[in-house]
Amino acid sequence: RKEVEQDPGPFNVPEGATVAFNCTYSNSASQSFFWYRQDCRKEPKLLMSVYSSGNEDGRFTAQLNRASQYISLLIRDSKLSDSATYLCVVNGDNTNAGKSTFGDGTTLTVKP
Amino acid sequence: DAEITQSPRHKITETGRQVTLACHQTWNHNNMFWYRQDLGHGLRLIHYSYGVQDTNKGEVSDGYSVSRSNTEDLPLTLESAASSQTSVYFCASSEIRGPSREQYFGPGTRLTVT
Repeated sequence: RKEVEQDPGPFNVPEGATVAFNCTYSNSASQSFFWYRQDCRKEPKLLMSVYSSGNEDGRFTAQLNRASQYISLLIRDSKLSDSATYLCVVNGDNTNAGKSTFGDGTTLTVKP
Repeated sequence: DAEITQSPRHKITETGRQVTLACHQTWNHNNMFWYRQDLGHGLRLIHYSYGVQDTNKGEVSDGYSVSRSNTEDLPLTLESAASSQTSVYFCASSEIRGPSREQYFGPGTRLTVT
């Protein structure tokens, strides 16, 4: 079983749609959680951190459920520019606190 | 502005040759990482460093080595390139040894081993 698992998709949605991605992780001692965005053939960039209380940044909402060990990302009112691969990232336990484990990514295509 | 750069951006080499990929960051970050990314896979950690003279193996370290002689640079060496090492390589850095730190990525090096 992979340490971080994501539904690979692809997700094909029309503009304006709401889409949700889920991610599960296996290490219950994991410390911190992120969503990164990666455009085709480019480097990943941080989209948002994920906090236990849930957090929102404009059209994007991230949730963390430590008990079930899953993370979600909700995108509302999808734009064409949201088309990308979204990577779920989990940072290590106390022994490897700076080390990240990446999911394989979920591909989103937003169509006109 | 602080940044992280990689060179070369593209490289074609032959099987058996030694290849070194450069990574240079001006963030003054202690942590640096090397990943490879292959089609259909996420980023897999090759080696990482928490500071000068510190290096650690990641999940796919066989055939690769790194050294950290200063804060800014973490070169990745392929000792004897193999076709299985054809991939896109990303270098990243983060601020301090702590769990909640964002990683900043370089633009990547596309390596082809023929």
